Amino acid sequence: AQSVAQPEDQVNVAEGNPLTVKCTYSVSGNPYLFWYVQYPNRGLQFLLKYITGDNLVKGSYGFEAEFNKSQTSFHLKKPSALVSDSALYFCAVIATDSWGKLQFGAGTQVVVTP
Amino acid sequence: KAGVTQTPRYLIKTRGQQVTLSCSPISGHRSVSWYQQTPGQGLQFLFEYFSETQRNKGNFPGRFSGRQFSNSRSEMNVSTLELGDSALYLCASSLEAPDGAFFGQGTRLTVV
Repeated sequence: AQSVAQPEDQVNVAEGNPLTVKCTYSVSGNPYLFWYVQYPNRGLQFLLKYITGDNLVKGSYGFEAEFNKSQTSFHLKKPSALVSDSALYFCAVIATDSWGKLQFGAGTQVVVTP
Repeated sequence: KAGVTQTPRYLIKTRGQQVTLSCSPISGHRSVSWYQQTPGQGLQFLFEYFSETQRNKGNFPGRFSGRQFSNSRSEMNVSTLELGDSALYLCASSLEAPDGAFFGQGTRLTVV
């Protein structure tokens, strides 16, 4: 069975500081990994994905994520956080035999203070 | 290119009633998935449709059902509503590939 874990319920960071949101996964076979962001009363917005290739993936709004196969992690990063980055972030995985189903982590609330 | 459109955005229903939610995917996307989001359970997969066929199903009771039309538009239905069905229902569409899914704004269902 596949699963995703986001160990932090909330991450607090000052504006201008680096932001990291952690994600670890467990799947059989090669993982397809995604990050989404959700603003209040809105749907999920796609940030980035790892399918294959370079371990460092660049996405929208200055976000990037590092895939680490040995540690089964896919942490989301941003070098300099903005107040507008305050939102709920979800890591997700789909298994190779179930492309239409996303398994989400519990989500991490990011709070960026001015 | 238009995104995923869900209607209605908000619904209030009474226990025991049924409800139908609609989703129009991004043009060219043939896979449509539905998710339920609640504060307690997070994001849970309901089902996925591809070319009018249900391809995957999550662990929800039979009161939750869906369908997909030939133009890829999808509907989900919840019968005999319970208070616990109050949630944000999200629809997502994707290409036939592990390429990521694109979500609509959701339908906020409140059961009273």
